[in-house]
Amino acid sequence: EAGVTQFPSHSVIEKGQTVTLRCDPISGHDNLYWYRRVMGKEIKFLLHFVKESKQDESGMPNNRFLAERTGGTYSTLKVQPAELEDSGVYFCASSQKAGAYEQYFGPGTRLTVT
Amino acid sequence: AQSVTQLGSHVSVSEGALVLLRCNYSSSVPPYLFWYVQYPNQGLQLLLKYTSAATLVKGINGFEAEFKKSETSFHLTKPSAHMSDAAEYFCAVSDRGSSNTGKLIFGQGTTLQVKP
Repeated sequence: EAGVTQFPSHSVIEKGQTVTLRCDPISGHDNLYWYRRVMGKEIKFLLHFVKESKQDESGMPNNRFLAERTGGTYSTLKVQPAELEDSGVYFCASSQKAGAYEQYFGPGTRLTVT
Repeated sequence: AQSVTQLGSHVSVSEGALVLLRCNYSSSVPPYLFWYVQYPNQGLQLLLKYTSAATLVKGINGFEAEFKKSETSFHLTKPSAHMSDAAEYFCAVSDRGSSNTGKLIFGQGTTLQVKP
């Protein structure tokens, strides 16, 4: 069974540019989560999809971030325009059900904004 | 708001020694509790979780954790460290009840170094 995959693994962009991160969850997992770890800080929740619907986007920092999950399969997280403070590692995770079920994490995308 | 505290951002032990990584949570209602591990260039992997029932939880790779409600703690232990245990460890919680969407709240992480 393929795990959660994320693309790209690394991205370096200039301030003001746009970047789109992609996450492919484990097949059949309805729940998809995005998290972010800024250097030196804890991993923080960004948002949660159930299929194609946003269930909880309370962790999204501001309206420069846009997440989508078309068709309830893969998800994208777009940052437009990127700011220096957006640098960090973005993790995606998926699970069969919400609650106390195990979340399977991807390897993350390291985003550097210069 | 719920918070998680991991004491010590770096812990160093000798191979064969006891591993103890500390985690405390803040809520008065015990949440679901998790320990995840991240090896270099990999995603987070679940070591173990506490949802209810037994307060001593056994996980993979010889790790275990004990839930202590009176201390609001969920410390992770392993009797004998291996070189392969060197990684970063994260304690996380999620709320119980109907509002539980699975959203995880993480501690700051603890990097475990194992010396030969």
